[in-house]
Amino acid sequence: AQRVTQPEKLLSVFKGAPVELKCNYSYSGSPELFWYVQYSRQRLQLLLRHISRESIKGFTADLNKGETSFHLKKPFAQEEDSAMYYCALRGRSNYQLIWGAGTKLIIKP
Amino acid sequence: EPEVTQTPSHQVTQMGQEVILRCVPISNHLYFYWYRQILGQKVEFLVSFYNNEISEKSEIFDDQFSVERPDGSNFTLKIRSTKLEDSAMYFCASSPEQRSGANVLTFGAGSRLTVL
Repeated sequence: AQRVTQPEKLLSVFKGAPVELKCNYSYSGSPELFWYVQYSRQRLQLLLRHISRESIKGFTADLNKGETSFHLKKPFAQEEDSAMYYCALRGRSNYQLIWGAGTKLIIKP
Repeated sequence: EPEVTQTPSHQVTQMGQEVILRCVPISNHLYFYWYRQILGQKVEFLVSFYNNEISEKSEIFDDQFSVERPDGSNFTLKIRSTKLEDSAMYFCASSPEQRSGANVLTFGAGSRLTVL
């Protein structure tokens, strides 16, 4: 079965501390993994996709096929990073995205 | 920056009534989607649409649901005979192409549907 698991509903860290948002997936084949973010009162927007291997707003995510993980990391959290973060997998069909439950990240001053 | 526009932002309806949610995708995008998120639950795929036909639909997208692109700009989701469990935030999204690595979705702000 295709599944995305984000084990933490809520993650609260202090400003300047490192952040790691966990994402594990279940998929047989070559997955495409994404991180979407939703800031307060804003719409869902793409943050990262594994295929680009880029860093956006200081965030990085590496696809680890051995551990079936795509954790999102940032070495020094900023208050503006507070948001809801969703990990998503592009399924076999190539159309639909399969979503994790989301992690609410709160950066404390 | 171009946006996906959704109307209404919030609709309250009585159980059994028909609802139409409207979306204006980004003008040069070719692929259109509807997702929904019931409060406290995961975002769920409903349907994808390309070249004036459904390209994929989920188990949720049963005969109660239909999509249409009536005039080349709007993309609508119709829910016939709404049920209480249809209460959710409905997101429209569009993307320019489908090939691997290029399937980046742009989402609308969502339409909140409340069924009483």
